[in-house]
This record gives sequence, structure tokens and C-alpha cells, in this order.
Amino acid sequence: LAKTTQPISMDSYEGQEVNITCSHNNIATNDYITWYQQFPSQGPRFIIQGYKTKVTNEVASLFIPADRKSSTLSLPRVSLSDTAVYYCLPDMDTGRRALTFGSGTRLQVQP
Amino acid sequence: DTEVTQTPKHLVMGMTNKKSLKCEQHMGHRAMYWYKQKAKKPPELMFVYSYEKLSINESVPSRFSPECPNSSLLNLHLHALQPEDSALYLCASSQDTRLAGPYEQYFGPGTRLTVT
Repeated sequence: LAKTTQPISMDSYEGQEVNITCSHNNIATNDYITWYQQFPSQGPRFIIQGYKTKVTNEVASLFIPADRKSSTLSLPRVSLSDTAVYYCLPDMDTGRRALTFGSGTRLQVQP
Repeated sequence: DTEVTQTPKHLVMGMTNKKSLKCEQHMGHRAMYWYKQKAKKPPELMFVYSYEKLSINESVPSRFSPECPNSSLLNLHLHALQPEDSALYLCASSQDTRLAGPYEQYFGPGTRLTVT
């Protein structure tokens, strides 16, 4: 089964770019990797999703190398409001969609 | 309307009580989910309903009983809970669990449950 590894925590300052890398094994060719953001006492919120190379939306970019053993969430110019926990969820190689949350990365943005 | 609503927001119950959590979505989604989240831990999947049928039960104790009366509603019936069941219970929905391609879950705000 695919298992994810993310840094437990990261610190940054406002205006900086933050890159959070998630390592995952056993990702099939067309399996998607999804990232969610969660603020305290709220439900997770979808950020971005992709299955190859690079995906960009209005809030983030997702980079997936050719070997697909990792993915990197890139948050450009973070602000204080980006302080949250970020979770990487790959589709499972059993055919299950992104349902298993890893331990997540707690991002703290300082002024 | 891209909102998943959950009621109640907070619930305190004794170990002998019976209560229910309710979740509703009007996005036409055919998959709905219950997750449990303890403090400073990631959400843990409990149940998945697909087209109103239970498709995944993550070996959840029988004191938690899910119900999907229709495609918009999801209930979680609680009976004889233990203090360690105190947690944030999150409901989510998605278009479909079976299709390939992009897939996104929409989460509700959760119900904060305290078992005394």
C-alpha cells in the first residue's frame, strides 16, 4: 500500500515561497496525488491535485517528478493566513482513491 | 452550492446515551464519508457510502452505526460510546469514488463530540 512521508513541521516568513515535499511509493501511472489544507477545528480543504509533471492553480503549484515517488506542493508568497496543516493524499495502489491522510506538515508562517 | 453542512456543531453525551450526527450536501455527489479526527492527528476514515450503499467500513466498532437515507444525507448513530471516542467527526462528499481522473472531497466543518 502507498505510504506517505512528510516533514512534521516547517517555518516560514510572510512573502516567502514554501515547498512541502511528500514521499510516496507504489503510485500507479494514472493515480492522482491530492493536497489538502486544514485550519484548527475546521474540515480539510482541497488545494490542488495532479498525476504528472506540473499543475498550477490560483493558490499553489504541484510538482511531480517522472519517477512519481514524491510530489512537492509549492505555495508562492505565503501569508499569515497560510498557517495550517497540509496533507498529501495519493490514490492507493489498491484502486482506492485519496482517502488516507498521512501525518501532515504543520506550516507556521511568521510576520 | 459547494457546502457540506453538519449538525450539531458540538455534542456532549454520556456513555449510556444514544445520539446521531447529521451531514447534508446538495452538490449531487454520490459518495459520502465519515472521518474521525483526534486532536493534533490526521483525519481517519471510518465509512464510505457510494450510491447510498456502504462500500467501506474501516473496522469501526459497532457502537458507531452509519446510515445513508438518500443521496444528500448521511447520519452517524452513536450508542454506548467511550470517553476515548471524543473527537471531531468530519463528513465529506465527492462526485463519485469509482471514476478515474480528478477527484476531490468536500468536507464539512465537523461535529465536536465529547463523551463523558
